[in-house]
Amino acid sequence: DSGVTQTPKHLITATGQRVTLRCSPRSGDLSVYWYQQSLDQGLQFLIQYYNGEERAKGNILERFSAQQFPDLHSELNLSSLELGDSALYFCASSVASGTYNEQFFGPGTRLTVL
Amino acid sequence: AQSVTQPDIHITVSEGASLELRCNYSYGATPYLFWYVQSPGQGLQLLLKYFSGDTLVQGIKGFEAEFKRSQSSFNLRKPSVHWSDAAEYFCAVGPDMRFGAGTRLTVKP
Repeated sequence: DSGVTQTPKHLITATGQRVTLRCSPRSGDLSVYWYQQSLDQGLQFLIQYYNGEERAKGNILERFSAQQFPDLHSELNLSSLELGDSALYFCASSVASGTYNEQFFGPGTRLTVL
Repeated sequence: AQSVTQPDIHITVSEGASLELRCNYSYGATPYLFWYVQSPGQGLQLLLKYFSGDTLVQGIKGFEAEFKRSQSSFNLRKPSVHWSDAAEYFCAVGPDMRFGAGTRLTVKP
């Protein structure tokens, strides 16, 4: 158990809908990262937040957004969902902002778009 | 742009045999290099990482990796594989955290 929690575990929705994925980092970690893992694209870094502020952006679509709240939990919002958004979404956390710090991954949220 | 290549999609080794998983990267400067393992239905776990210093890095679970700048490689090795090592292994390069496509390891009894 990494100490990172993600809810829900599974999510099934329809095209065009909007969903929110939630992540609670390990106690004491200030950085949260979001990743998408799909058969087509592999594992891709989406975005990083550090202590409430956006720190780095990867291959995140404009339809996706994220935020980190004062209690350091983070949410990833996915809107206007398409079939291709079906994937496993991971959250990871680390103690500081640099990517050289070890990231601890949550178990993931499996999103299925029908 | 940073990129990382794992040439082997799937590798099968016998339990007790040695293992080497290949990783090649492309990056302008000395990158941060990582190896992660993903067991079925689970998130990723860091095995080891390299930023600078000694080019032979020791990690958890008996794994090691060697950074070779001249070959742009960061191959993962283990002298004796255990059945519990069966998993998917990902090489990654930072700071942008680009991941390779992964190598699936099967361990034969």
